[in-house]
Amino acid sequence: DTGVSQDPRHKITKRGQNVTFRCDPISEHNRLYWYRQTLGQGPEFLTYFQNEAQLEKSRLLSDRFSAERPKGSFSTLEIQRTEQGDSAMYLCASSLSLVDTEAFFGQGTRLTVV
Amino acid sequence: AQTVTQSQPEMSVQEAETVTLSCTYDTSENNYYLFWYKQPPSRQMILVIRQEAYKQQNATENRFSVNFQKAAKSFSLKISDSQLGDTAMYFCAFMKQGGAQKLVFGQGTRLTINP
Repeated sequence: DTGVSQDPRHKITKRGQNVTFRCDPISEHNRLYWYRQTLGQGPEFLTYFQNEAQLEKSRLLSDRFSAERPKGSFSTLEIQRTEQGDSAMYLCASSLSLVDTEAFFGQGTRLTVV
Repeated sequence: AQTVTQSQPEMSVQEAETVTLSCTYDTSENNYYLFWYKQPPSRQMILVIRQEAYKQQNATENRFSVNFQKAAKSFSLKISDSQLGDTAMYFCAFMKQGGAQKLVFGQGTRLTINP
């Protein structure tokens, strides 16, 4: 297992288009997180899954955003009707739901909305 | 809600020097973890060091050590004998024990190690 992988690495889209990102976590990890990182800032939590259940969503996650993890393995994050303010790095992380655990991050998908 | 503040947007030191990055946080929780993450130009976040709040002893990982002051809510990172490969963004992060285990990050410090 090579770690958390995200696809694509970069995405340029026109305002108003829909985009979808994919995250493949470390295979034995049952927790998966999405974060958003804007330029010059630290990542901000968006949502997380335990297995296939989406257990928490940030208020940052507007109704244009939807995330799924259909079989408890990979996850997708879709943004509908993209806006310029959606331009950011979208980071995925995975971990085990243990008390003393570490989150492992992917390299992220950089979204640019033009 | 928890907040994490890093007051040094950028720092620059010469190779082999020691550098300290500052971090303060605010929380009403008693059980939590604190982390320093490194984000090199390739953008993948890597864990550098972690500290459990219930432990009084400061964590150490090779050239990296922390100064954890629980009462002052301060968590600084010291990098000794800095190397060119230490050049990166460094983020301080807080995680409440239990529940979602989501991370709350500071704004980051851009560290440059000069040859």
